[in-house]
Amino acid sequence: KNEVEQSPQNLTAQEGEFITINCSYSVGISALHWLQQHPGGGIVSLFMLSSGKKKHGRLIATINIQEKHSSLHITASHPRDSAVYICAVGGETSGSRLTFGEGTQLTVNP
Amino acid sequence: EAEVAQSPRYKITEKSQAVAFWCDPISGHATLYWYRQILGQGPELLVQFQDESVVDDSQLPKDRFSAERLKGVDSTLKIQPAELGDSAMYLCASSLVPSVTQYFGPGTRLLVL
Repeated sequence: KNEVEQSPQNLTAQEGEFITINCSYSVGISALHWLQQHPGGGIVSLFMLSSGKKKHGRLIATINIQEKHSSLHITASHPRDSAVYICAVGGETSGSRLTFGEGTQLTVNP
Repeated sequence: EAEVAQSPRYKITEKSQAVAFWCDPISGHATLYWYRQILGQGPELLVQFQDESVVDDSQLPKDRFSAERLKGVDSTLKIQPAELGDSAMYLCASSLVPSVTQYFGPGTRLLVL
């Protein structure tokens, strides 16, 4: 079993829909990261959080430390949101090494 | 806005050849990471530098991979000899210090024939 599990693996939505991507992890962590990867390969860091909730524009990330679970929400989705969204955790004992999930491929159709 | 630079962006090589990738982190970032990402999977850390020192290379296949950051600024990742299974995206990232937000470069896509 992977230390970081994401669901769903693939997600197709219509423009304007509310989207949720989930991430579960099995180890103690110092922080959880949400990353966005576009088809060209470049990765952008969206959020780093260790508790509660963060919001940036139409993106919201939440984390429940007790349940070892995080969600990334996109409100009013747009075709330009189409990308792979990756969850990564920084372990308590491994310093800053990140363990990555396999990603969720999101496609938003106009 | 400062960015992490990588070159080349694409590399096609034959197996048993040597390849090298270059990364220039954001100025002032002491921590530099090399990741390998196989298609359809998340990135995997190969090596982490703090300034010029390697702090984690536990996942680096040291029989064929080497990495250096001689002056604590830019870095080179080398594969010799390349194998078919090395085909992947090689990503470089940097951060001011460990355990904070990492900034990723555009990656080098390697295809070994």
